[in-house]
Amino acid sequence: DIQMTQSPSSLAASVGDRITITCRASQTISSFLNWYQQKPGKAPKLLIYVTTNLQSGVPSRFSGSGSGTDFTLTIGSLQPEDFATYYCQQSYRTPYTFGQGTKLEIK
Amino acid sequence: QVQLQESGPGLVKPSETLSLTCTASGASISSYYWSWIRQPPGKGLEWIGYIYYSGSTNYNPSLKSRVTISVDTSKNQFSLKLSSVTAADTALYYCARDRDYYGNWGQGTLVTVST
Repeated sequence: DIQMTQSPSSLAASVGDRITITCRASQTISSFLNWYQQKPGKAPKLLIYVTTNLQSGVPSRFSGSGSGTDFTLTIGSLQPEDFATYYCQQSYRTPYTFGQGTKLEIK
Repeated sequence: QVQLQESGPGLVKPSETLSLTCTASGASISSYYWSWIRQPPGKGLEWIGYIYYSGSTNYNPSLKSRVTISVDTSKNQFSLKLSSVTAADTALYYCARDRDYYGNWGQGTLVTVST
């Protein structure tokens, strides 16, 4: 299986901050990397697919980059509704696997 | 607008079979891939597998011997069966549309494995 490792596991930031979450794959996954946001008691929400593509309706402050094994999710200016847990997921090879999550908390 | 709704027992006894159904509205089962993903309480996400309306499936090898995903096009539903469950199968089970990444999810249904 391809292992996905996110860093950091948790992050405290303030409204207006620019933050970056990193996801590393245990082997190359080309650009087949997706990002989700999950709030307590809710299903995950797709933010970005295939590394850089913004899902319809997702604010443009979210962006993704990377290729191969190293990927990043950037939130340009944190808004109160962005405090949540974020997961990366590889769709290069089954079994598809997710990172362990990054919990973004208010400082 | 696609809506997905999971249904099934919330409590299953150890060694028995977990059975869930996902009903799709706003999209035809015959037009997409359909997936199951689970999340143990307080933990991360685990991909279970997917099915195409034709019946073609792909399962997580960690569950492959116990899992069956099927589709009922007449009811616009797809289903998950997981046999010989243990406490480790206690999780929130989500259904989702598509194969590789998931823009549409059900709300999730909690299944607890316990006597």
